[in-house]
Parts: sequence; structure tokens; C-alpha cells
Amino acid sequence: RKEVEQDPGPFNVPEGATVAFNCTYSNSASQSFFWYRQDCRKEPKLLMSVYSSGNEDGRFTAQLNRASQYISLLIRDSKLSDSATYLCVVNPRDNNNDMRFGAGTRLTVKP
Amino acid sequence: DADVTQTPRNRITKTGKRIMLECSQTKGHDRMYWYRQDPGLGLRLIYYSFDVKDINKGEISDGYSVSRQAQAKFSLSLESAIPNQTALYFCATSDPGLAEDDTGELFFGEGSRLTVL
Repeated sequence: RKEVEQDPGPFNVPEGATVAFNCTYSNSASQSFFWYRQDCRKEPKLLMSVYSSGNEDGRFTAQLNRASQYISLLIRDSKLSDSATYLCVVNPRDNNNDMRFGAGTRLTVKP
Repeated sequence: DADVTQTPRNRITKTGKRIMLECSQTKGHDRMYWYRQDPGLGLRLIYYSFDVKDINKGEISDGYSVSRQAQAKFSLSLESAIPNQTALYFCATSDPGLAEDDTGELFFGEGSRLTVL
């Protein structure tokens, strides 16, 4: 079983739609959680950290459920520019040398 | 200009050849990393370094070696390349800092696509 699992998609949605991605992780002792965005043929970039209480950044909302070992990302009012692959990242410890990346969920937003 | 620069961006080579991928950064970060990305697998850590005298193996270090020549430079070598080392390689840096809300965000280079025939 992979340590971080994501639905690979692709998710194809119209502009303006709301779309949600899920991610599960296997290490119950994991300390910190992130969503990164990766455009086609580009490097990953941090989208947002995921806090225990849930957090929002504009149209993006991240939630963490430690009991179920589950992370989600909700995108409201999708834009064409949201088309990308979204990587779920879990850090089992409080440092950077053990980040575990999901394989990513691909999103295409269509006009 | 990119803060984390990788060279070469693309390389095709043959089995058994020695390959070096280079990474340099202008962010002033102490921590540097090499990852590889394969379809369906996510990024996996090869090696990491927290300062010039520090080298550590990651999840998949076999068949690779690294050199941290200076704070700004971290190179990855494949002594004898094999086809299953065909992948997209990323260098990254981070600087977790001391603040409670520091994420330890990873800053990636643009990637080096390596094909081993």
C-alpha cells in the first residue's frame, strides 16, 4: 500500500464548478500536511498547508481528518488556470527530509 | 531568473554512461534535496543535505551519489546509468526557519528529464 494515496483522475470539470480531491495517508503519526500544485512539465509549487482546524485561501479550502487519516482540497468557482496536477504531501516528522508525496490528481477545467 | 537552477534540462544517454545533474540556488537556503518523479509514483527522495558537510541517503539512494560543493550547489551523479533511472529529476531547497508557522516549504528547480537507453 502506498504511504500517500490519491485518486489520479483526471477530473474534467466546467468553469465555475466546485471540485474536491481526497488523499489518504498510512502513517498515523504524520505531523504536517500540504497541497502542492504542478503544472504540466513544470516543477511543483506549494499551494497551501493543511491545518488541523481546516483552512481557507480564497477559493481553496483544505481539511484534515486525523482520525480517518484523510486530507481534502476543495476548489470553488473553478477557473481555466486551475488546470494542473495537485499533489498531496505528508510529513511523518517535523522536518523536511521525510516528505512523502502522493502521485497527484490531475484536474482539467474546460470553458 | 529561477532561484533554483538545474542543468541539463534534458539528457539522453546510454546504459553504463556516467551522468551528472547539477543544481545551484540563489535562495541562500542551507537545505537541499534531490527527488525523482515517475508516472503514477509521486516524487521520491534520493539524497538530501542540510549543510556543506552533511550528506544523507533518502528513500531510493541506490545507484546514485551526490556532492555538496558549496551552500549553493548540490550535484547528483549516476555512476553507471541504467534504463530504470529514466525519470524526471528535481532539485529542491528549503529553509524551515524558527517561526511556528514556517512550513518548511520546498522550492523546486524546473527539473531535469533523463532518458537512459
